[in-house]
Amino acid sequence: QKEVEQNSGPLSVPEGAIASLNCTYSDRGSQSFFWYRQYSGKSPELIMFIYSNGDKEDGRFTAQLNKASQYVSLLIRDSQPSDSATYLCAVNEGRRALTFGSGTRLQVQP
Amino acid sequence: GAVVSQHPSWVICKSGTSVKIECRSLDFQATTMFWYRQFPKQSLMLMATSNEGSKATYEQGVEKDKFLINHASLTLSTLTVTSAHPEDSSFYICSAWGWAESTDTQYFGPGTRLTVL
Repeated sequence: QKEVEQNSGPLSVPEGAIASLNCTYSDRGSQSFFWYRQYSGKSPELIMFIYSNGDKEDGRFTAQLNKASQYVSLLIRDSQPSDSATYLCAVNEGRRALTFGSGTRLQVQP
Repeated sequence: GAVVSQHPSWVICKSGTSVKIECRSLDFQATTMFWYRQFPKQSLMLMATSNEGSKATYEQGVEKDKFLINHASLTLSTLTVTSAHPEDSSFYICSAWGWAESTDTQYFGPGTRLTVL
């Protein structure tokens, strides 16, 4: 059974700091890796996706993938209070449904 | 970009009634849509995969006779919760693969919050 593990948190960081979110997955066949942000009572919104080993940067966000270690991370630079949300890691193979982790709750303190 | 809509955004019903939730892909065609359910403080759990023109594929433990899925067109999938009970109260979210900004990724609808009294 495919599993995606995340620390539930909460992860608390001061405003302006770097928030580091981590995720591990069990299925070595996973090909695509996603980070979603979910505010309370809302649907997930895509932040980033990554397919290849290494780093991928988009604005304040950097996704890191290490397939050998089956590890995905998301770094948020210059964290803002508006970044406070639950961050969901998801993986999949092909165009199938995503397998989600339980999410990490991030709190950015003003 | 790819947009997925859901209707209604919230619904309150009495126990024993049936509720239909619509999921539409607004600017792209989706041969496959997914239905997820999310209970409070839990992650999204896949309920079923909706296939246009054929039967849905349900995940283990999801009652296909209780959660009826119809995917009659390339832009519309419906989930009907039959004889709803309080334990069916949850946040139901649909999604579909779409192509936008050179990205093939899964886009989520805004969700439907179901409360069964």
